[in-house]
Amino acid sequence: GAVVSQHPSWVICKSGTSVKIECRSLDFQATTMFWYRQFPKQSLMLMATSNEGSKATYEQGVEKDKFLINHASLTLSTLTVTSAHPEDSSFYICSARDFRGVYEQYFGPGTRLTVT
Amino acid sequence: TQLLEQSPQFLSIQEGENLTVYCNSSSVFSSLQWYRQEPGEGPVLLVTVVTGGEVKKLKRLTFQFGDARKDSSLHITAAQPGDTGLYLCAGANAGGTSYGKLTFGQGTILTVHP
Repeated sequence: GAVVSQHPSWVICKSGTSVKIECRSLDFQATTMFWYRQFPKQSLMLMATSNEGSKATYEQGVEKDKFLINHASLTLSTLTVTSAHPEDSSFYICSARDFRGVYEQYFGPGTRLTVT
Repeated sequence: TQLLEQSPQFLSIQEGENLTVYCNSSSVFSSLQWYRQEPGEGPVLLVTVVTGGEVKKLKRLTFQFGDARKDSSLHITAAQPGDTGLYLCAGANAGGTSYGKLTFGQGTILTVHP
């Protein structure tokens, strides 16, 4: 149980294009999903909190117009990196919190984005 | 802003040795989770500790939550090469504006040599 999937697992795109990453909770409903960014050999950096049916809450320093988040259902959240640049290249990870739980978050396998 | 100080950041040991990773904060957390992450994959939840003073064991791994719920430790007995990975502690709060958000430590990169 508590499986979270991400698609795609890796993507290469050209500078100036947009990329959409999907995060799905496969066997539970997630009222809240979180999006993180991770640099090599470093910890996770929270980018935004996504609540089903409402606007995402972004962490300080994260451009909301660049990283568009949509949480359209209890099992799906999407992150769109708009007008991507090489500095946006990173490992993006989502997590989902089971609506029945309080503390645990279950993480997806991550998406490696490379912008050329 | 809540902070979690995790130490050490790097640990390189031989198979069979014991090790302890620490997470410390000046803030109280409702719970603390430990995750293990391998390169190119997402973190995998190892354990959640909720009660001050709580001790949980998972085979060769022992997790402890401090009495004041401000610190935690992970102890691995007789480490094996398969234990190699990035270990992350993360604190959570059950209420307020930070509800559900995790505060992560800096991570500990563990390498166990055969």
